[in-house]
Amino acid sequence: KAGVTQTPRYLIKTRGQQVTLSCSPISGHRSVSWYQQTPGQGLQFLFEYFSETQRNKGNFPGRFSGRQFSNSRSEMNVSTLELGDSALYLCASSLQGEGYNEQFFGPGTRLTVL
Amino acid sequence: AQSVTQLDSQVPVFEEAPVELRCNYSSSVSVYLFWYVQYPNQGLQLLLKYLSGSTLVKGINGFEAEFNKSQTSFHLRKPSVHISDTAEYFCAETISGTYKYIFGTGTRLKVLA
Repeated sequence: KAGVTQTPRYLIKTRGQQVTLSCSPISGHRSVSWYQQTPGQGLQFLFEYFSETQRNKGNFPGRFSGRQFSNSRSEMNVSTLELGDSALYLCASSLQGEGYNEQFFGPGTRLTVL
Repeated sequence: AQSVTQLDSQVPVFEEAPVELRCNYSSSVSVYLFWYVQYPNQGLQLLLKYLSGSTLVKGINGFEAEFNKSQTSFHLRKPSVHISDTAEYFCAETISGTYKYIFGTGTRLKVLA
C-alpha cells in the first residue's frame, strides 16, 4: 500500500509569489490534515479536510487556503509569500480524522521563500 | 485553549541508558494523546497512542508512556536507548470530534556512544 505522497518535495519562491502544494493520501483515507513545521515551533495545525469539506482550521492568516478533491487528494495554497512562510509543510491522512484513526504523514514539502 | 508542552528541547543520553521525555497536555475531557518520532528528512511516525483504558501504553521500538490524569502528563520512556533512537520526538493531543491535533515543540534526543 503506497504511503502519503507530497509534491513537490522542495520549492524555492520569492516574496510576493504564490505557491500550491499537493498531497495524495493513502488509498481509502478520506481525511487530510496540513501542518507547518518550523524549528522551535513544532508542528502548527493549518486545516483538516474530509470529503471535500474543511472541518477545522488553525490560526493562520487568510493567505493560507486549501481544498480537497473528490478522490481525497488535497492541495494547499499560500498567496503573497512572506519570508516567514519558509517551512516544512506536512500533510497527514487518516481514515476519518478522528483521534482513534492513526494519522500517516507524508515526507513533507520544504518551502524556501527568498 | 489547547496546548501541549514538551519541557526539554534537547536531551543527550548515553547508549544503553534509560531516557524519559516529558510532555504535559492541557485538555481535560475526551483527549487522545500521541507520541511521534521524526528522523531527519522524513515525516512523522507514530510511536504510541493513548485513547482510553490502561494508563501504561506500549509502543514500537521498546518505547512506552504513562498517562497521568492528575498531573496532565504523558511522559515517554525507554529503559535502554540505542544510537538509532537519535531523532526528534513530538507529543500531541486531540479532542474527540475536533479533527485538530495540537503538537508540542519537540524534543531532540541525542544518543551518545
